[in-house]
Amino acid sequence: DTEVTQTPKHLVMGMTNKKSLKCEQHMGHRAMYWYKQKAKKPPELMFVYSYEKLSINESVPSRFSPECPNSSLLNLHLHALQPEDSALYLCASSRLGGVEGYTFGSGTRLTVV
Amino acid sequence: AQKVTQAQTEISVVEKEDVTLDCVYETRDTTYYLFWYKQPPSGELVFLIRRNSFDEQNEISGRYSWNFQKSTSSFNFTITASQVVDSAVYFCALSEALTGNQFYFGTGTSLTVIP
Repeated sequence: DTEVTQTPKHLVMGMTNKKSLKCEQHMGHRAMYWYKQKAKKPPELMFVYSYEKLSINESVPSRFSPECPNSSLLNLHLHALQPEDSALYLCASSRLGGVEGYTFGSGTRLTVV
Repeated sequence: AQKVTQAQTEISVVEKEDVTLDCVYETRDTTYYLFWYKQPPSGELVFLIRRNSFDEQNEISGRYSWNFQKSTSSFNFTITASQVVDSAVYFCALSEALTGNQFYFGTGTSLTVIP
């Protein structure tokens, strides 16, 4: 299995809703990432998990809460989002160190109304 | 400072033309990797190639070829005989051994192939 699977593919949520994005990989990668991508822009790093521990938080607002319950799963919990948070959210995984490249999921397209 | 520069924001070519996407990078590290990713309208980032800093051999894969030149800090990507399915945004990226879990993406080049 050489894929990163993200669910759901599309999500529309209100500003008072709570929702979660899910990401799963079975490649034995011990580093997992959340990226946010706005239209016509490159992906921006949000969080990095190494060995299921949060190692990088790129000053992301607390309305985004990541969770890594085990080495194969990565969640992103969403609460009280703003319309400007609408974007494509990409999950990725890699061997520890990441220098050899990441495998990206197909993303969740989030719309906040 | 921008570590990866893709000066071409948008390119349009007619089908069957060749097209080269430019990528210039900046690093002080001696060990690094360069990448190209393709992002079609569906959204997923598709890995195309990885090249490490010690291997300057050019690579060809079907209609795709890559030219890595350390002397000019460039890693250019050429599509030969372009097809409509090549229409996508292409990202060049850099990963440095010293900074580990960090990908530096370029701003992307949007390629449109006109039938």
